[in-house]
Amino acid sequence: GDSVTQMEGPVTLSEEAFLTINCTYTATGYPSLFWYVQYPGEGLQLLLKATKADDKGSNKGFEATYRKETTSFHLEKGSVQVSDSAVYFCALSDRGGNNRLAFGKGNQVVVIP
Amino acid sequence: SQTIHQWPATLVQPVGSPLSLECTVEGTSNPNLYWYRQAAGRGLQLLFYSVGIGQISSEVPQNLSASRPQDRQFILSSKKLLLSDSGFYLCAWSKQGARTDTQYFGPGTRLTVL
Repeated sequence: GDSVTQMEGPVTLSEEAFLTINCTYTATGYPSLFWYVQYPGEGLQLLLKATKADDKGSNKGFEATYRKETTSFHLEKGSVQVSDSAVYFCALSDRGGNNRLAFGKGNQVVVIP
Repeated sequence: SQTIHQWPATLVQPVGSPLSLECTVEGTSNPNLYWYRQAAGRGLQLLFYSVGIGQISSEVPQNLSASRPQDRQFILSSKKLLLSDSGFYLCAWSKQGARTDTQYFGPGTRLTVL
């Protein structure tokens, strides 16, 4: 079935550093791809999305490009802030009528001042 | 605009007790509704989804059940809680239709079973 794989382990980096979180997927057809962010003690918020190959989603300085040839949707930000500390989830939608999402395991990002 | 509510926000229950978590959506009609569980240190597991009143699909067989008595109300229940039911429960909604596949999440319920 459809699945999403995120890089293992938390990510710790200094303020203003460059952030990359890897995400690869396995799917039949042409899924939509998402990044969600979860701040401590809260639900998930949609960060960005892309619905077709070569689309770039962007929001709050974060970007991710839908790469069909490498089945990837890596998240990047050029200069992180302490407020970006959160858990980041990559997800895909099977685009069926019920819009089910498959999530990766998430990556804890800690930004140190 | 649309909003999604969950309650309670936090719940501590003994093993073997019943459970009822509620989720309601405002500002939209006939949404798809979803229940997820997030166990400590793990990703999100889809438990149930619903495409309409009384229509429930179960993803993972377990001692939980879901019901949708009204269009914008989704309830997660259990007759007897297990220790393994502890976790963070998230409700989500999306618009119906294959091209409107973004899911929007509620604030969650933190359940601790002792």
